[in-house]
Amino acid sequence: GAGVSQSPSNKVTEKGKDVELRCDPISGHTALYWYRQRLGQGLEFLIYFQGNSAPDKSGLPSDRFSAERTGESVSTLTIQRTQQEDSAVYLCASSRQESNYGYTFGSGTRLTVV
Amino acid sequence: AQSVTQPDIHITVSEGASLELRCNYSYGATPYLFWYVQSPGQGLQLLLKYFSGDTLVQGIKGFEAEFKRSQSSFNLRKPSVHWSDAAEYFCAVGALTGGGNKLTFGTGTQLKVEL
Repeated sequence: GAGVSQSPSNKVTEKGKDVELRCDPISGHTALYWYRQRLGQGLEFLIYFQGNSAPDKSGLPSDRFSAERTGESVSTLTIQRTQQEDSAVYLCASSRQESNYGYTFGSGTRLTVV
Repeated sequence: AQSVTQPDIHITVSEGASLELRCNYSYGATPYLFWYVQSPGQGLQLLLKYFSGDTLVQGIKGFEAEFKRSQSSFNLRKPSVHWSDAAEYFCAVGALTGGGNKLTFGTGTQLKVEL
């Protein structure tokens, strides 16, 4: 598609439930990133996929967080047993392999854990 | 590891006034530098980027930024601010590292424009 698409745009979940967030990158963008933005804070790196290479998971805050991506297509970020501190906007971005092109961001998924 | 500091959390300017948002980075080699803008309820939009060459880069919406290696800075400027520029601005630094093309973002500067 023309841009990075994320779904759902908003998600309210009960504490302890699992959630799955989806990101559909721009066609041809081999790199895909997940960031978290808590209220009033900057962007926190979560995970990075580049083609078929092993993902960089160094930013995942706990083992409740996981992400998958098949090839150069859709990615899903899963949060198990959600906690209130998981409430944030989860942003996905994609880019061509070369970092100097910068990212194109999706509009994000606003997750609220109640 | 690279890092970015945006020392101003909030800035208020009058419409028509000039603007400068500060950004300082830490990185051992020549960085790739970016400015993004996030309007309320929107995703982040790339304003401009610096890779090499001319240290003054022009971006969209009338913004420009100057890379100063000696000061490790990449400040964003606009000569005359419009009310529609009210948003949050993020500076970011990127590099080809072993971990890939990860961008590190500053904590952002919230810009308010007074009419």
